[in-house]
Amino acid sequence: QSALTQPASVSGSPGQSITISCTGTSSDVGGYTYVSWYQHYPGKAPQLIVFDVNKRPSGVPNRFSGSKSGDTASLTISGLQADDEADYYCTSYTDSSTLVFGTGTKVTVL
Amino acid sequence: QVQLVQSGAEVKRPGSSVKVSCKTSAGTFKNFAISWVRQAPGQGLEWMGGFIPIFGPAIYTEKFQDRVTITADESATTAFLELRGLTSDDTAIYYCARTTCCPFNAFDLWGQGTLVTVSS
Repeated sequence: QSALTQPASVSGSPGQSITISCTGTSSDVGGYTYVSWYQHYPGKAPQLIVFDVNKRPSGVPNRFSGSKSGDTASLTISGLQADDEADYYCTSYTDSSTLVFGTGTKVTVL
Repeated sequence: QVQLVQSGAEVKRPGSSVKVSCKTSAGTFKNFAISWVRQAPGQGLEWMGGFIPIFGPAIYTEKFQDRVTITADESATTAFLELRGLTSDDTAIYYCARTTCCPFNAFDLWGQGTLVTVSS
């Protein structure tokens, strides 16, 4: 099972919106609604920010939103803030009954 | 607030095995799955496998199928990851994560991570 493909880096200015893509296949992202997104600060445990493609856990700001079209899922961060600077990873359930991570995206706030 | 508390850092020799534990501060894993995720230096997150106590045997990715065993104690309050045949490539931070199911879905609670260093 290959990792899902994410851009290595995305950047934006405070207040702007950015979108991170997560591309898989019909055997993972395209075949299921079990797509999640995680925010990861180096040295800390990752945090769930979106699950089931577009649902947010309690306490996660609505600036974070998820969507999916075909084999590609996306995370949009609107109203970009300095503390959004982190690594972001997607995951998806797969035909093999496993989970697979994306390659990860470093978000930089300019 | 429920926490997952992992065992401390380990230094291991190549060829040896390591067993990392993950204890829930409240409740049990009986209605959840537990996954193990690792991050090697400079690399991304990698799902190794998961275990749903009420359903039985763990599921592993093909990469780790032959070297990893994920289990839980009888009370389903502590989960374990055993990794055998260690090489320097296994140097990483290992996280346990409570995983919503079923099937395996989202990691909604994470342990603090355990650094495993493999060095001769």
